[in-house]
Amino acid sequence: QQQVKQSPQSLIVQKGGISIINCAYENTAFDYFPWYQQFPGKGPALLIAIRPDVSEKKEGRFTISFNKSAKQFSLHIMDSQPGDSATYFCAASIGWGAQKLVFGQGTRLTINP
Amino acid sequence: EAQVTQNPRYLITVTGKKLTVTCSQNMNHEYMSWYRQDPGLGLRQIYYSMNVEVTDKGDVPEGYKVSRKEKRNFPLILESPSPNQTSLYFCASSLYARPGGVGEAFFGQGTRLTVV
Repeated sequence: QQQVKQSPQSLIVQKGGISIINCAYENTAFDYFPWYQQFPGKGPALLIAIRPDVSEKKEGRFTISFNKSAKQFSLHIMDSQPGDSATYFCAASIGWGAQKLVFGQGTRLTINP
Repeated sequence: EAQVTQNPRYLITVTGKKLTVTCSQNMNHEYMSWYRQDPGLGLRQIYYSMNVEVTDKGDVPEGYKVSRKEKRNFPLILESPSPNQTSLYFCASSLYARPGGVGEAFFGQGTRLTVV
């Protein structure tokens, strides 16, 4: 069973728009929620991460919103740019390290110029 | 340059022919993992290692073996590959994260394996 469910599978946004990707998890023991960005032919790379003691974290145009009671978290990309076109994965893990990440299914994001 | 290096990048093999995918990291990380990426399923962990000679199963370990004899290397072994192991494989390494720190996994470039 998929412990972390991600939606949508694919997303097309116009340049300058807001991209929103959602994830839901089931295991309440998860306490670390990173987002990874993957370009074609490359491995995933850490984009931004949050712990459940805060409801929001912002880094530049990227924001994670976290709702602990609903067991949901989302990635918002403001002022989306063509260079943001990539596959995005949400993930979750227990503890402080990144040695045992559980990933969502991935979202292929396309930003139209 | 800090990196995780996998070899080969592409591999086509036949059912039952043993193969090894190598992984090496130069960041002195304690943790190393193997994931497979399949469309619609995301990345799923195959095996991970907390340190030399310490390995454990991930979520999809069947049909795979690993070993960690040196800190920098973590090879993935398919003793008898089958077509359902056709996938994109990623090796990752990470540092032990102190409480309150950020745990970041560094991924290799991937190995696309086709088993016919």
